[in-house]
Amino acid sequence: ETGVTQTPRHLVMGMTNKKSLKCEQHLGHNAMYWYKQSAKKPLELMFVYNFKEQTENNSVPSRFSPECPNSSHLFLHLHTLQPEDSALYLCASSQDGGGAVDTQYFGPGTRLTVL
Amino acid sequence: GQNIDQPTEMTATEGAIVQINCTYQTSGFNGLFWYQQHAGEAPTFLSYNVLDGLEEKGRFSSFLSRSKGYSYLLLKELQMKDSASYLCAVRDSNYQLIWGAGTKLIIKP
Repeated sequence: ETGVTQTPRHLVMGMTNKKSLKCEQHLGHNAMYWYKQSAKKPLELMFVYNFKEQTENNSVPSRFSPECPNSSHLFLHLHTLQPEDSALYLCASSQDGGGAVDTQYFGPGTRLTVL
Repeated sequence: GQNIDQPTEMTATEGAIVQINCTYQTSGFNGLFWYQQHAGEAPTFLSYNVLDGLEEKGRFSSFLSRSKGYSYLLLKELQMKDSASYLCAVRDSNYQLIWGAGTKLIIKP
């Protein structure tokens, strides 16, 4: 496998469910990111991990809980979501998370629908 | 606040040339990125500009003017597969990426 993979690709859940999104990168990168993409809106950065340490949490509600067990894997645990959380959730990785030329590479995303 | 502006949607004809503009107001500047995103797929990296001028990569070119806070992506010899959204992003003084909402490009035969 190459690049950045995400599972599942599509997820429908009720507001009381608990689910997890998984991201895996095969690029040997040290930084990983979670973004939320809503229609006609800019990408919203949610969380950043650099060398497995969380370095950014952009005022994300606690119903979203990230986990980064190692530099290759990133999870987003979901609990008690709201319908407005329905969106495309993108995972990305980059070499070191801090350099000016540091380019982010994205996974295909998980399309989440909250009923 | 920080802001990236790009047109919401553009239409062009197969074989033609199209220019997608991006203007930005950010706290500092450490480079500008263009990404392409086909519907339902991952954004893919197209280009990076940090110095003023034109960077050319095959049919795609990207231009930057830091004094004007302005960039454009130029697509030549348009093909139907170029129908996609094009995202502009600027890295600010804290090395955070600030994203535009994207420009949906529709190519007509």
